[in-house]
Amino acid sequence: GAGVSQSPSNKVTEKGKDVELRCDPISGHTALYWYRQRLGQGLEFLIYFQGNSAPDKSGLPSDRFSAERTGESVSTLTIQRTQQEDSAVYLCASSLGGSQGEQYFGPGTRLTVT
Amino acid sequence: KNQVEQSPQSLIILEGKNCTLQCNYTVSPFSNLRWYKQDTGRGPVSLTIMTFSENTKSNGRYTATLDADTKQSSLHITASQLSDSASYICVVRGINAGNMLTFGGGTRLMVKP
Repeated sequence: GAGVSQSPSNKVTEKGKDVELRCDPISGHTALYWYRQRLGQGLEFLIYFQGNSAPDKSGLPSDRFSAERTGESVSTLTIQRTQQEDSAVYLCASSLGGSQGEQYFGPGTRLTVT
Repeated sequence: KNQVEQSPQSLIILEGKNCTLQCNYTVSPFSNLRWYKQDTGRGPVSLTIMTFSENTKSNGRYTATLDADTKQSSLHITASQLSDSASYICVVRGINAGNMLTFGGGTRLMVKP
């Protein structure tokens, strides 16, 4: 079956513009995670969706960042008024749910803010 | 603050040689520890997972060890291949961590012919 897919694979945007990143999780996976990975650094947790529960937004760095998920399918991560420090690879992962489920990662979206 | 520290940050070895990557963590109590391999431009892929009661876990040429008393883990790669060139990330899940994992900064391994 298909793995986690993300689009676009690369995005270059001007400072101050809004961007929307998309994640298609593995079918049947109830949990979905967004991470940020700056160049040469480790992954930073951003937000977690589990079924119809309220998302865990504790990792979002500012109110410019938001994410939505429709049911147990596609999720979009929106960054408003992008800044240069937002430049990073944004990774999405999905799992069968529960705190112990293995997370399967997508290829990421490389965002460059100029 | 829970931390996961990896060493070395980068490593270059010759094809066919063995190497060992280290991971020290302060997450406690912890549920499990995973090693991921991340190829350039790709998402991380899980290599091994160990719970606190496991000492070693193998996956082909990859062998992970865990010492829960000293909070240390290692990933040993045997007979390295060019395709082993990647970043290796240690990830720890704490029991009280909710839905969050703590990621190490990774070790970037380059295998040269």
